[in-house]
Amino acid sequence: AQKITQTQPGMFVQEKEAVTLDCTYDTSDQSYGLFWYKQPSSGEMIFLIYQGSYDEQNATEGRYSLNFQKARKSANLVISASQLGDSAMYFCAMREGRRSSASKIIFGSGTRLSIRP
Amino acid sequence: GAVVSQHPSWVICKSGTSVKIECRSLDFQATTMFWYRQFPKQSLMLMATSNEGSKATYEQGVEKDKFLINHASLTLSTLTVTSAHPEDSSFYICSARGGVSNTEAFFGQGTRLTVV
Repeated sequence: AQKITQTQPGMFVQEKEAVTLDCTYDTSDQSYGLFWYKQPSSGEMIFLIYQGSYDEQNATEGRYSLNFQKARKSANLVISASQLGDSAMYFCAMREGRRSSASKIIFGSGTRLSIRP
Repeated sequence: GAVVSQHPSWVICKSGTSVKIECRSLDFQATTMFWYRQFPKQSLMLMATSNEGSKATYEQGVEKDKFLINHASLTLSTLTVTSAHPEDSSFYICSARGGVSNTEAFFGQGTRLTVV
C-alpha cells in the first residue's frame, strides 16, 4: 500500500505567488517524521523542512512552511513568494518509527513545480 | 548541513561489466546509509539499508547478488552493480544518517549509470 501520496504530478505557478504542494501519508506508528526535499534537474536532493509527529507547532524554514494536520494525515508544503529558482521536483517523504539513524525514509511520487516569470 | 559525497557522478559502462559507486560522509560518522534508485521522472525507490560492519538489508524485489553493498567503515558505503545490463541504467543516490542529528538524511549528489 502506498504510504506517501502526492496527488499533483505537476503545477504551474506565477512568480511571487504562494504555492501549496499536497502530501498525505499513511502509518500506524505514533512516532514518525515527515520531510520535504527539492530535486532540481541536477539530481541532488536538497532538504527543505522536517516535521516530527509530536511537534505541536508547524515547522517553518524561511519561505517554506509545513502545514501539518495530524488527524487528516496530511503534511502540505507551502512556499511563499515563489521564485524562478523554485522550479524543481518536490518530494514528500516519511520516516516511520522512532527517530533512529536506521529508520528508513520512503518517498512520494513527487510534484514538478514550474514557476512562470 | 552535513556533507555526503558520492562518486562518480556519472558512468558509462559496457554490458556485462561491474560498476562500483562510493558514498562517503565527509564530516560525520554515518551509522546507516541508504541506497536509492530513481528512474526518469519517477520517485526514489529504496534499494537497501546498510549498517557499518554488518550485512545490508535489501528491500523486497532487489537482487542481493546483483547489487552488492558494503559498508566497511563509518564514513564509506559502496554499491557495486554486478554484470550490468541496459535495464540497470538509472540514477543511483545514497543518503547517510548519524552524527548529532538523526532527523534528516543527507544525500549524495547521485550517480547516473548508463549501460551500453
